[in-house]
Amino acid sequence: GAGVSQSPRYKVAKRGQDVALRCDPISGHVSLFWYQQALGQGPEFLTYFQNEAQLDKSGLPSDRFFAERPEGSVSTLKIQRTQQEDSAVYLCASSLAQSRLSSVGQYFGPGTRLTVT
Amino acid sequence: AQTVTQSQPEMSVQEAETVTLSCTYDTSESNYYLFWYKQPPSRQMILVIRQEAYKQQNATENRFSVNFQKAAKSFSLKISDSQLGDTAMYFCAFMKLWGGLSGNTGKLIFGQGTTLQVKP
Repeated sequence: GAGVSQSPRYKVAKRGQDVALRCDPISGHVSLFWYQQALGQGPEFLTYFQNEAQLDKSGLPSDRFFAERPEGSVSTLKIQRTQQEDSAVYLCASSLAQSRLSSVGQYFGPGTRLTVT
Repeated sequence: AQTVTQSQPEMSVQEAETVTLSCTYDTSESNYYLFWYKQPPSRQMILVIRQEAYKQQNATENRFSVNFQKAAKSFSLKISDSQLGDTAMYFCAFMKLWGGLSGNTGKLIFGQGTTLQVKP
């Protein structure tokens, strides 16, 4: 597609429910990132994939958070047993790992706003 | 660890005027990138401008330009001829290139953001 897409755009979950958030990166982008953005704050890094390999998951806040990208394209961020503090916008971004230095940068999707009640 | 600080939570400017958003960062790295991203109320984060740390020349993109002071670790964004469509939250971001298998990418570290309101 032309840009990064994410679904659903909005998700309301009751505390304790599991949720799954989907990201479709720009075609051909091997690098994929997930970020968490609390209200009024800057995004914070969660995890990074290069193709299907999860090379950095240092930002995942707890073992309730799990991400996968089994075929190196679409990625899913799963949150188990959601808590109120998980309420945030979850942003996905993709980039070319071997872009020219003059074109370095990540391209973001519209995000999924998760509200845990 | 790297940190990025935006000390202006909110700013406003009259249409057609010029405004400067400030950003400072802290790092011990010598090779890195700096970015300004724009996030309108629709929430789609848009890349505005990038600066390679090893380049002394300040980056420009149409009405957007930066003042990059590497020694002072300062990276401000100047918006000239402000337009109503420039109303958004602006984030300054730092990225160290991971290199190796990860190539020319790395995780972004964002500041807290500056909300810019352009008034007619």
